[in-house]
Amino acid sequence: GAVVSQHPSRVICKSGTSVKIECRSLDFQATTMFWYRQFPKQSLMLMATSNEGSKATYEQGVEKDKFLINHASLTLSTLTVTSAHPEDSSFYICSARDVAGADTEAFFGQGTRLTVV
Amino acid sequence: GQNIDQPTEMTATEGAIVQINCTYQTSGFNGLFWYQQHAGEAPTFLSYNVLDGLEEKGRFSSFLSRSKGYSYLLLKELQMKDSASYLCAVSDSNYQLIWGAGTKLIIKP
Repeated sequence: GAVVSQHPSRVICKSGTSVKIECRSLDFQATTMFWYRQFPKQSLMLMATSNEGSKATYEQGVEKDKFLINHASLTLSTLTVTSAHPEDSSFYICSARDVAGADTEAFFGQGTRLTVV
Repeated sequence: GQNIDQPTEMTATEGAIVQINCTYQTSGFNGLFWYQQHAGEAPTFLSYNVLDGLEEKGRFSSFLSRSKGYSYLLLKELQMKDSASYLCAVSDSNYQLIWGAGTKLIIKP
């Protein structure tokens, strides 16, 4: 099946620094990738929709200047958490859908556990 | 607004059968997904229903009734490894996934 690779799986950073998370679709092309955040014992919360070659669409309440998304190719999207603070500590997950069909399943990356100290 | 409802937690016995329900109200419908998520891991795909009826895949089956805005995930011959959260998600008119809060399934020996 299709594979989405997310890196790194875990990262610890100091408050005020920036962290970049990569999401790659390994065997299919993804026009659209999605970035989610999940706090403990809560459901996935969509942060933004990343579209190849254009600006990301952010959900209400998500700061676009803090969570920078770049989708430079059909197989790579990156999420950069700028000036991270302890409240940004969370589980970040990306997902992608094959361009072949919008009604296909979403494939998920492994997730990134971000801890800001 | 858009809403997905599923029970917060369920408990079942190893070897038994459990049914996890999901009701939804969304702007448009382009399919319903069930995902399994173990603690600390990303969700993994279980099933996809877009037409009414039952889809069977091994020990797992998923049912959909579009007229009732209702789906269930049926797990048979429960194993301890089935302890996880089960997420229901609906693809709306814009093909965006709307997620339920998940049902935590606890399996007891």
